[in-house]
Amino acid sequence: EIVMTQSPATLSVSPGERATLSCRASQSVSSNFAWYQQKPGQAPRLLIYGASTRATGIPARFNGSGSGTEFTLTISSLQSEDFAVYYCQQYNNWPPLTFGGGTKVEIK
Amino acid sequence: QVQLQESGPGLVKPSETLSLTCTVSGFSINGGYYWGWIRQPPGKGLEWIGCIYHSGTTYHNPSLKSRVTISVDTYKNHLSLMLTSVTAADTAVYYCARFGYSDSFFDYWGQGALVTVSS
Repeated sequence: EIVMTQSPATLSVSPGERATLSCRASQSVSSNFAWYQQKPGQAPRLLIYGASTRATGIPARFNGSGSGTEFTLTISSLQSEDFAVYYCQQYNNWPPLTFGGGTKVEIK
Repeated sequence: QVQLQESGPGLVKPSETLSLTCTVSGFSINGGYYWGWIRQPPGKGLEWIGCIYHSGTTYHNPSLKSRVTISVDTYKNHLSLMLTSVTAADTAVYYCARFGYSDSFFDYWGQGALVTVSS
């Protein structure tokens, strides 16, 4: 099983600032990697797939990068609606499909 | 527009079987995607439970061993989840979601169904 480790667990950021979230895979997942955003009481929403491709309707301030074992999600200028929990997921080697433990982006 | 909706009992007794249905609208379950179940214990992260293809091929998370059964009804356009011998650790929001055959990220999700295991 590929273990996904996200850091930090919590990120405190002021609106308008940049947020950088990280995810590490226990072995290479190539670019078979996705990011999701989850707000309280809602299902996760796909943000990024293929490590760097924005899903339909996702604003350009969300950028994914990386390949292999190290991945980054950058939110260039945080808006109020971006405060949420973010999860990474690998789909290179399954079953099982695996998620990271999440990074909560909170208002500083 | 693809929509998924989970339904089923919100309370299950320990040692009994959890049963949920996911009704898909706006897209045929035969349409070349996998259909999966993911759960999220209160305040915790996401755990993939398993999935099914319209052909009936299924995969499940080894962590759940043989407690999971996933089935599909192509006529009703829905999929079902059964989880046997539940304990309090199975209390979670259960989501159904669609993912690709070759690119297995989840692009459409249901709203989720909270299932509590308690006597």
